[in-house]
Amino acid sequence: EVQLVESGGALVQPGGSLRLSCAASGFTFSTYDMHWIRQATGKGLEWVSSIGTSGDTYYPDSVKGRFTMSRENAENSLYLQMNSLRAGDTAVYYCARGRPYYDSSNGWFDPWGQGTLVTVSS
Amino acid sequence: QSALTQPASVSGSPGQSITISCTGTSSDVGGYNFVSWYQQHPGKAPKLMIYEVSKRPSGISNRFSGSKSGNTASLTISGLQAEDEADYYCSSYRNSITLYVFGTGTKVLVL
Repeated sequence: EVQLVESGGALVQPGGSLRLSCAASGFTFSTYDMHWIRQATGKGLEWVSSIGTSGDTYYPDSVKGRFTMSRENAENSLYLQMNSLRAGDTAVYYCARGRPYYDSSNGWFDPWGQGTLVTVSS
Repeated sequence: QSALTQPASVSGSPGQSITISCTGTSSDVGGYNFVSWYQQHPGKAPKLMIYEVSKRPSGISNRFSGSKSGNTASLTISGLQAEDEADYYCSSYRNSITLYVFGTGTKVLVL
C-alpha cells in the first residue's frame, strides 16, 4: 500500500524556521516526482513546491527564497525547510506523490498524506 | 498566482447529475490536457478523482467524469449519492515555472 506520512508541524513565531518531513512507503520513491501542497483552515489548496527525480525544485513566488524542498532517496524521505515564516504560512501541509519519471503525464497528485499543521503566531 | 475559478457551491438531489466548472486561461486549463480533480471530505486529505481532463484512477466510480472545452474544465457527478457531499477542487499544470494552480473549490451539497 502506498503511504505518505508527514511530520514536523508545530507552533512557531513569525520569522522562525521549521522543517517538515514526509516518510514514503509502498512504492519506489526515487522514481517519482513529489510535491508539497498546503491548505489554510477553511481555505483552498495551494501548491507549495515540487521536486523531480533528479532533484530539480520548483516554487511559487509566495515561498520562493524562503522554502527549500529536498529529498533523500536512500531514506524514502521528503523534506521542506521553511525559513522566515509568516502568519500567512499557517496551514496544513500535505505531501503528495506525482508522476513517475517515465510518464509523460503531469498535473496530478496521488496519493496525499494526512497532513501536518504549521501555525505561525506570536 | 491567480487561482482557477470554481462556483462556491453546487447542489443536487440523490440520483441527479451535477456539473462543477473550473475556469482558467489559455496559459493553464486551455493550454494543457493536465487538469485534475480532487474530492475532500471534512478533516480528510484530498483524493484524486480525475486526471488528464477525463481519466479515472483505478477504484474511482464511473459516476465521476471529466471534460474540457476551451479554458473551462468540468467535473460531472452522475447518480448523486449522499457520500458525494464534499469539497471538490480542480487543478491544472500552468507552465515550467509556476507549475501548478488549484481552483477555488466547490462545496457539493446533496439535498
